[in-house]
Amino acid sequence: DAGITQSPRHKVTETGTPVTLRCHQTENHRYMYWYRQDPGHGLRLIHYSYGVKDTDKGEVSDGYSVSRSKTEDFLLTLESATSSQTSVYFCASRTGNTEAFFGQGTRLTVV
Amino acid sequence: AQSVTQLDSQVPVFEEAPVELRCNYSSSVSVYLFWYVQYPNQGLQLLLKYLSGSTLVESINGFEAEFNKSQTSFHLRKPSVHISDTAEYFCAVTSSGYSTLTFGKGTMLLVSP
Repeated sequence: DAGITQSPRHKVTETGTPVTLRCHQTENHRYMYWYRQDPGHGLRLIHYSYGVKDTDKGEVSDGYSVSRSKTEDFLLTLESATSSQTSVYFCASRTGNTEAFFGQGTRLTVV
Repeated sequence: AQSVTQLDSQVPVFEEAPVELRCNYSSSVSVYLFWYVQYPNQGLQLLLKYLSGSTLVESINGFEAEFNKSQTSFHLRKPSVHISDTAEYFCAVTSSGYSTLTFGKGTMLLVSP
């Protein structure tokens, strides 16, 4: 399995606080992605990166920002968490037109 | 643009029965197709993929999928399911020139004794 780790695995935070989720990969993959998974919606792309400092928005990017200062790390920040951002967040990475490899997910609860 | 439609949100079957999970995609260019499986409280694992070549692809645990360009489909099949196949299955597509994978909404396969 590709080495992709997410931290933290679980987090409970209060409405209005900033939150940062971290994704770390050891495969030197060019592309990295953040998805959120919600019942009935499948996986929806939040943001993605196609290289260091190169990022772009996905279909549900409002309220989220990302940064990629190193090939191996991709950070997702919720600037001011809201209850609608309660979800399971998955990071993935891949190289070229191949399959993506996923982390184990972060369960975020905003109260 | 690319999109994926999984026609069934839930498929209940009995153990040892055959199953088909349907996936249709939309893309204007050459596609690469994937099926992922997700067990409870876990991440997604690749089940099988179509990149090029033979249109019939197989997994190590008995699943197969056939790429049908004319029908823009990539249905997943297994001739005899086990209780342990109970999981959620996601179809995904990417295309030449696209940086992203687009996923369907998933199909929950429920296998009962």
